[in-house]
Amino acid sequence: RKEVEQDPGPFNVPEGATVAFNCTYSNSASQSFFWYRQDCRKEPKLLMSVYSSGNEDGRFTAQLNRASQYISLLIRDSKLSDSATYLCVVNSVGSSASKIIFGSGTRLSIRP
Amino acid sequence: GAVVSQHPSWVICKSGTSVKIECRSLDFQATTMFWYRQFPKQSLMLMATSNEGSKATYEQGVEKDKFLINHASLTLSTLTVTSAHPEDSSFYICSADGGTGAYNEQFFGPGTRLTVL
Repeated sequence: RKEVEQDPGPFNVPEGATVAFNCTYSNSASQSFFWYRQDCRKEPKLLMSVYSSGNEDGRFTAQLNRASQYISLLIRDSKLSDSATYLCVVNSVGSSASKIIFGSGTRLSIRP
Repeated sequence: GAVVSQHPSWVICKSGTSVKIECRSLDFQATTMFWYRQFPKQSLMLMATSNEGSKATYEQGVEKDKFLINHASLTLSTLTVTSAHPEDSSFYICSADGGTGAYNEQFFGPGTRLTVL
């Protein structure tokens, strides 16, 4: 089983739709969680951190469920510019140091 | 946010040559930097963790003698792909740890696209 798993998609939705991604992680000792966005042939950029209480930033809402070991990202009123690959990132605790683990990414394509 | 640069942004080389990629944190000090590799349509794969002043920690399956990492200062880490072969062609990205604590944002360099002929 992968340490961090995501549905690869692609998700192809119309502009204005609401779309949700889930990501599961296997290490229950994981401490911090992030969603990154990666555009084609570019480096990943932080979209938002995910806090235990859940957090919202404009059209984006992130949730964490420690009991079930998954995090989610909800995008409301999707825009064409939201088309990208969304990476779930988990900061797990290893034997000696923290370790950043990326999910394989979920591709999102917004159509006009 | 903090800025991380990489150089070169792209490189084409012949099989058997060595290629050095630099990763610099421009406006902050990074005791820890990470090197990733990304093949087309795949996610980032962590290759190694680079610690300033000490040896890098390599992920399973990554040859330390082939991918030499040097982190000689708090703002510079280098990755040298030795005796590169076509299968080493990939997008290499570094990131720098933005601070201490559990919620450490990773600041990524723009990546280096390596093509080995």
